Amino acid sequence: AQKITQTQPGMFVQEKEAVTLDCTYDTSDPSYGLFWYKQPSSGEMIFLIYQGSYDQQNATEGRYSLNFQKARKSANLVISASQLGDSAMYFCAMRVRNSGNTPLVFGKGTRLSVIA
Amino acid sequence: DAGITQSPRHKVTETGTPVTLRCHQTENHRYMYWYRQDPGHGLRLIHYSYGVKDTDKGEVSDGYSVSRSKTEDFLLTLESATSSQTSVYFCAISEDGTPDNEQFFGPGTRLTVL
Repeated sequence: AQKITQTQPGMFVQEKEAVTLDCTYDTSDPSYGLFWYKQPSSGEMIFLIYQGSYDQQNATEGRYSLNFQKARKSANLVISASQLGDSAMYFCAMRVRNSGNTPLVFGKGTRLSVIA
Repeated sequence: DAGITQSPRHKVTETGTPVTLRCHQTENHRYMYWYRQDPGHGLRLIHYSYGVKDTDKGEVSDGYSVSRSKTEDFLLTLESATSSQTSVYFCAISEDGTPDNEQFFGPGTRLTVL
């Protein structure tokens, strides 16, 4: 079975500083994808970034980067130059390749608060 | 933005009544999913569909049924609503079932069962 663990229920960061949100995963499948989603207070789920298990380089999307350490089974999200609008819940999720159907498995999330 | 709508967006109902939530997509994606979100649990998969009339159970499927008669619509039915089904329900779609295919989410439906 697949599992995602986010150990930080809440985080605070000063505006313009960088912050790392932790995510560890567990799977025996060698082929999988890792995703991060943002959920602001308005409730929608916004896709941020993706990392494939066979990708050689860490994924980056603007101010978001994914620190992928395969041996440690970790996929931490790094947000650089935090903005007040980054205050939200952040979810790490995983999808594995099995016989056919591969729903996402989510962690419980981390609430990030950006302080001015 | 992916074309996903959910209806209704908010609903209050009483214990024991049937409830149907609708998810509609305009992307012609093959896969559709229903999740529920509860505090302390993140998102948990209820049911999903990998094609018209092809569905399967997720982690928390008890008390729920689904139907998909058209590519664009995926219905979630609570046959007899209970207070434990008070939650926010999200529909999601993806083009296929491969690991590198992200899921796009609808706006959510807030359901309260009294």
